[in-house]
Amino acid sequence: GDSVTQMEGPVTLSEEAFLTINCTYTATGYPSLFWYVQYPGEGLQLLLKATKADDKGSNKGFEATYRKETTSFHLEKGSVQVSDSAVYFCALNRDDKIIFGKGTRLHILP
Amino acid sequence: GAVVSQHPSRVICKSGTSVKIECRSLDFQATTMFWYRQFPKQSLMLMATSNEGSKATYEQGVEKDKFLINHASLTLSTLTVTSAHPEDSSFYICSAPMTSGVEQFFGPGTRLTVL
Repeated sequence: GDSVTQMEGPVTLSEEAFLTINCTYTATGYPSLFWYVQYPGEGLQLLLKATKADDKGSNKGFEATYRKETTSFHLEKGSVQVSDSAVYFCALNRDDKIIFGKGTRLHILP
Repeated sequence: GAVVSQHPSRVICKSGTSVKIECRSLDFQATTMFWYRQFPKQSLMLMATSNEGSKATYEQGVEKDKFLINHASLTLSTLTVTSAHPEDSSFYICSAPMTSGVEQFFGPGTRLTVL
C-alpha cells in the first residue's frame, strides 16, 4: 500500500542553519504531497503542498519540490529560527485519505 | 480561525466507561470526515472514515465495536470510545476535506486519558 518515509529525529540545529528533512513516498500514480507542522501544544497545520510532479510548494521560507523520478518531497529552509521548533510530518493524499510519515521533531537552538 | 473544532479538548475517564468526542466543521459542510489517533511522539494513524448518511469505513485493525462513529449531520461527526481502557489513552484528531478534496482541515485534537 501507499506509504511515506521520512528521516527520524530529533534534528537539532543552531539558529540560521540550513535545514533539510528527507521524505520519500511509495504510491501508485501521482498523489498530492504535503508537509504538515505541529507546534508544541497545537494541532496540525498545513505548511505547504504540491499536487503534481515538479511542483514546488513554499511557505514561511520552507520549500519542497515534488520529484517524481526519485519519489521524494524533501523539506528545506535556508535559515531556521527558534520558532521553527516543531514536529514536521510529510504526507500524501490518496482518495481523500491522508497518509502520514512518522514525523521529525526539530529543535532549533538560539 | 479554526475551521474544524473538536470537543472536548481533554478528557479523563475511568476504565470501563465510554467517552464521546465531537468533531464539527465550521462554515462548511463535510460529507466525509476522518478520525486519526496519535500516540506520544508518533505519527497520526488513520482509524476510520466517517460518512454522512452511511456507515463508517474502518481501517484494518481498528475495532468498529469499540470505536463507534456516527456522522449525524453534514457538520458533525462523533467518535465514541466504548468501555475505554488505559491502552486507549491517546490523542484523537479529526479532519475534514476541503471541497477540492486535496487539502484537509484538521481539528485541534482531543487528549483522552483512561485511568
